[in-house]
Amino acid sequence: DVKVTQSSRYLVKRTGEKVFLECVQDMDHENMFWYRQDPGLGLRLIYFSYDVKMKEKGDIPEGYSVSREKKERFSLILESASTNQTSMYLCASSSITRGVGKNIQYFGAGTRLSVL
Amino acid sequence: RKEVEQDPGPFNVPEGATVAFNCTYSNSASQSFFWYRQDCRKEPKLLMSVYSSGNEDGRFTAQLNRASQYISLLIRDSKLSDSATYLCVVNDEPGNTGKLIFGQGTTLQVKP
Repeated sequence: DVKVTQSSRYLVKRTGEKVFLECVQDMDHENMFWYRQDPGLGLRLIYFSYDVKMKEKGDIPEGYSVSREKKERFSLILESASTNQTSMYLCASSSITRGVGKNIQYFGAGTRLSVL
Repeated sequence: RKEVEQDPGPFNVPEGATVAFNCTYSNSASQSFFWYRQDCRKEPKLLMSVYSSGNEDGRFTAQLNRASQYISLLIRDSKLSDSATYLCVVNDEPGNTGKLIFGQGTTLQVKP
């Protein structure tokens, strides 16, 4: 079974703090993704990475950065947390291997972040 | 126009009913299609891939109509446990980044 693990289920931070959200996958997937999910807005892509040290902006990268130093780990960084970054954050990974499993994304359980 | 559009519902149906969801996508070059299921306060999980010829998995049937650019999901003999949000998902990246586009989801509530 694919396992995507996010370091925290719930996190409470203060405005202005630097926040690190960690994600680890155990399936040797090339691609990793960070989303946020808000009521009425669905899943929105923040950043993704298709290889170690590679990153691409998604639809809403402002206020976020990412790091992928190892294939299995993809970190999301909030440089200076703000209240409008209160959300559910979901990490996902997928493989580029050809065949029926290609591009299927597997998600972590999510981190519910509250910024006060 | 949104890239992937779904009726958000909610769809309220009795147990045993048959319910169908539709989804439209805007990019005619889209290549891969999926339905994901998301339970309340949980992560999305793959329900099934959608193939050009249509495919069935137990009580669930998925269809793809490329000409009209829509995807459907049919659930027969609904169970209480089918209550969830169903996300229509499309991959239209030509490369290998694996980027997916998620619809906002259709909420299903199955009542006793």
